[in-house]
Amino acid sequence: SAVISQKPSRDICQRGTSLTIQCQVDSQVTMMFWYRQQPGQSLTLIATANQGSEATYESGFVIDKFPISRPNLTFSTLTVSNMSPEDSSIYLCSYNRQNTEAFFGQGTRLTVV
Amino acid sequence: AQSVTQLDSQVPVFEEAPVELRCNYSSSVSVYLFWYVQYPNQGLQLLLKYLSGSTLVESINGFEAEFNKSQTSFHLRKPSVHISDTAEYFCAVRPKTSYDKVIFGPGTSLSVIP
Repeated sequence: SAVISQKPSRDICQRGTSLTIQCQVDSQVTMMFWYRQQPGQSLTLIATANQGSEATYESGFVIDKFPISRPNLTFSTLTVSNMSPEDSSIYLCSYNRQNTEAFFGQGTRLTVV
Repeated sequence: AQSVTQLDSQVPVFEEAPVELRCNYSSSVSVYLFWYVQYPNQGLQLLLKYLSGSTLVESINGFEAEFNKSQTSFHLRKPSVHISDTAEYFCAVRPKTSYDKVIFGPGTSLSVIP
């Protein structure tokens, strides 16, 4: 089965700082996805990361706040910049395989104080 | 574009009683359908998936879901719930194009009462 390794699993950060979340996949994938799950809410897509090009952001999310890197076909990072308490959420990376389900990392539980 | 509706945000049910969690979707293209479960303070796990073939799919822990194309529904059922089924359940769809994103419903919180 597919494996996604995401780290850190959790962190507590001071407001105004930035946190970079890493996502490693066990096989080469074309697109990776970053989701946010705010407390008590469902998952919302932040952006789609395609290797070799800039990420595509969903409405309400901007590159300055959530810069994404995709240096190769097995790795991606999401940075949460200039954090405020409203950024406290679970962040998840994901990828799809053709004709099957999406695979998710275990998530990064972020608390901003 | 796709959307997913889960009409029940919270479902309390007594232990050993049956339960149905409802899911309806909207899409102009063919989709794959999923149910994901999130136990308290844990990550997201795939519970069921409908990709093709038989419209009734089952999980290893007694849940089942039936794809109804005419009603654009994918309701989740279990004939007898356990305390350990207490969790958040998310219905999700994904276009059959290989790399499209997954769209999640708002979730249903299932609480099993002893």
